[in-house]
Amino acid sequence: AQSVTQPDIHITVSEGASLELRCNYSYGATPYLFWYVQSPGQGLQLLLKYFSGDTLVQGIKGFEAEFKRSQSSFNLRKPSVHWSDAAEYFCAVGHSGGGADGLTFGKGTHLIIQP
Amino acid sequence: AAGVIQSPRHLIKEKRETATLKCYPIPRHDTVYWYQQGPGQDPQFLISFYEKMQSDKGSIPDRFSAQQFSDYHSELNMSSLELGDSALYFCASNEGGLGETQYFGPGTRLLVL
Repeated sequence: AQSVTQPDIHITVSEGASLELRCNYSYGATPYLFWYVQSPGQGLQLLLKYFSGDTLVQGIKGFEAEFKRSQSSFNLRKPSVHWSDAAEYFCAVGHSGGGADGLTFGKGTHLIIQP
Repeated sequence: AAGVIQSPRHLIKEKRETATLKCYPIPRHDTVYWYQQGPGQDPQFLISFYEKMQSDKGSIPDRFSAQQFSDYHSELNMSSLELGDSALYFCASNEGGLGETQYFGPGTRLLVL
């Protein structure tokens, strides 16, 4: 069964500092990988996704993520965070074999931005 | 661009009552997914439909059922509601059941008293 681990429950970063959120996955083949962001009481917004090809993917709001097969990781990065980036971030893995399979989410990382 | 529409956005029910949540996918999307997110939890996959047929099943309680209609909208029916059913229920959609990007709606917040 596939699984996702986000080791950091909370991360506090100063505004303007760089950010890295960790995500490790367990999946038998090359997975589909996603990062979603959720503001309090809101829906899930897709930041970026990896299906195949270039292992460094660019997303919205200045975010990027790198797929590392050898480490089973898909860490999210941003060079300079803004106060509006404070939110809950979820890493998710999807089934790459086709079909309408549900995503498996990590427990999420709560990002706090210090002024 | 059109997004996934969910109704109602908020719902308050008593224990043992029933509830019906509706999801209208993005136009031309034929695949719908339902997720449940408890307070402070990650979203848990419940069930999905592709071309009006159930495609994948997750941790959906037997008290819940769902279906997809000819216009591709979907309804999640919840009976004998329990306090633990209080959660945010998300619907997501995509095209072709290919397991690619799922686009999420704003969610329905259900409170069971």
